[in-house]
Amino acid sequence: QLQLQESGPGLVKSSETLSLTCTVSGDSIRSETYYWGWIRQPPGKRLQWIGTIYYSGSTYYNPSLESRLTISLDTSKNQFSLRLNSVTAADTAVYYCARQKSPGATHNWFDTWGQGTLVTVSS
Amino acid sequence: SYDLTQPPSVSVSPGQTATITCSGDSLGGKYVSWYQQPPGQSPMLVIYEDRKRPSGIPERFSGSNSGNTATLTISGTQAMDEADFYCQAWDGGTLVFGGGTKLTVL
Repeated sequence: QLQLQESGPGLVKSSETLSLTCTVSGDSIRSETYYWGWIRQPPGKRLQWIGTIYYSGSTYYNPSLESRLTISLDTSKNQFSLRLNSVTAADTAVYYCARQKSPGATHNWFDTWGQGTLVTVSS
Repeated sequence: SYDLTQPPSVSVSPGQTATITCSGDSLGGKYVSWYQQPPGQSPMLVIYEDRKRPSGIPERFSGSNSGNTATLTISGTQAMDEADFYCQAWDGGTLVFGGGTKLTVL
């Protein structure tokens, strides 16, 4: 059974770097069938796509976050990670990792989600 | 940037049909997915590619998409269906979510 689990600090200071890891079990992140994505949800707000990575290392970022964002893979640990630089209070959110299916350039959906982890940015 | 608009709330009586809409410019030309997020839980995919149901999703969930509006329909709504629902589409290299609709089963 596929499971995704986010991990990382729950509190980050303003202007520092937010780092999260998603550990995947029940599937390989080296699969050619799926992509792996990050999504966040600020308190009381809508979901926001952060970015996506493919087993080849190709990345796709939300333009609004791209300048501060790095998503990477660790295939030896079956994990993928998120780094977001220069965080502010606006980056406070529940962060989810998810498996993404993308059979075509305009077909994208997340079929399995992690439980999410709350990251608070403090001043 | 592309925007998807949903009604903030929809109310329905148990056993009745709930309809949740998602509007966007030329949305009918894009593929839409829908997610259900019960309180305090992670989102769960209920519809992808406009009208397809993942394995394990009840038949009472159905979807359609035409013109500028995609619709999620829940037939015979049950108390367990009470949740926030989000639509999602892809536009111009960005994956976009709607603002969410809170479904209340009265």
